[in-house]
Amino acid sequence: AQSVTQLGSHVSVSEGALVLLRCNYSSSVPPYLFWYVQYPNQGLQLLLKYTSAATLVKGINGFEAEFKKSETSFHLTKPSAHMSDAAEYFCAVSVPTGNQFYFGTGTSLTVIP
Amino acid sequence: KAGVTQTPRYLIKTRGQQVTLSCSPISGHRSVSWYQQTPGQGLQFLFEYFSETQRNKGNFPGRFSGRQFSNSRSEMNVSTLELGDSALYLCASSPNPGKDTQYFGPGTRLTVL
Repeated sequence: AQSVTQLGSHVSVSEGALVLLRCNYSSSVPPYLFWYVQYPNQGLQLLLKYTSAATLVKGINGFEAEFKKSETSFHLTKPSAHMSDAAEYFCAVSVPTGNQFYFGTGTSLTVIP
Repeated sequence: KAGVTQTPRYLIKTRGQQVTLSCSPISGHRSVSWYQQTPGQGLQFLFEYFSETQRNKGNFPGRFSGRQFSNSRSEMNVSTLELGDSALYLCASSPNPGKDTQYFGPGTRLTVL
């Protein structure tokens, strides 16, 4: 079975500071991993995805994530936070032979001016 | 390509009523998943349809049901509404079930009074 754990339901950073959102997964087979962002009253938008190619994945809006198999992690980072990054972020896992996505509980990012 | 569309965007119902929500996937996508999002429970998987067949179902009571039509459009129905059904209902489509990226619609905000 697959599962996702997002450490920290709320994260606050200053504008211009590093953003680090943590995601750990559990999967019995090599997973596909995703990060989504949700702005207020909107659906989820794909930020980036890992599908067993390069372990460092670059996404939209300057975000990137690194797949670390030994740590079963897929943390999301951005070197410099912008006010527009304030949103809810979700990590998700699926498997190539599976038929369902599993989402984490989400991390709310606040950017302090 | 047009994105995933959901109608209506907002609904207000009273306890005991029933409601039907509609989702039109991205053209060419045959898999549609439904999620319920609430502040307390996060994103919870309701069910997934592929080629008019329900492939997966989450842990929700039988009051929640859905279907998919031959053109891949999907509807979900909630009967005998309860206050706790108030939530944002999100629909996501993908070309195939499981590993393919899910693309989300803007959601339907259901309020039960």
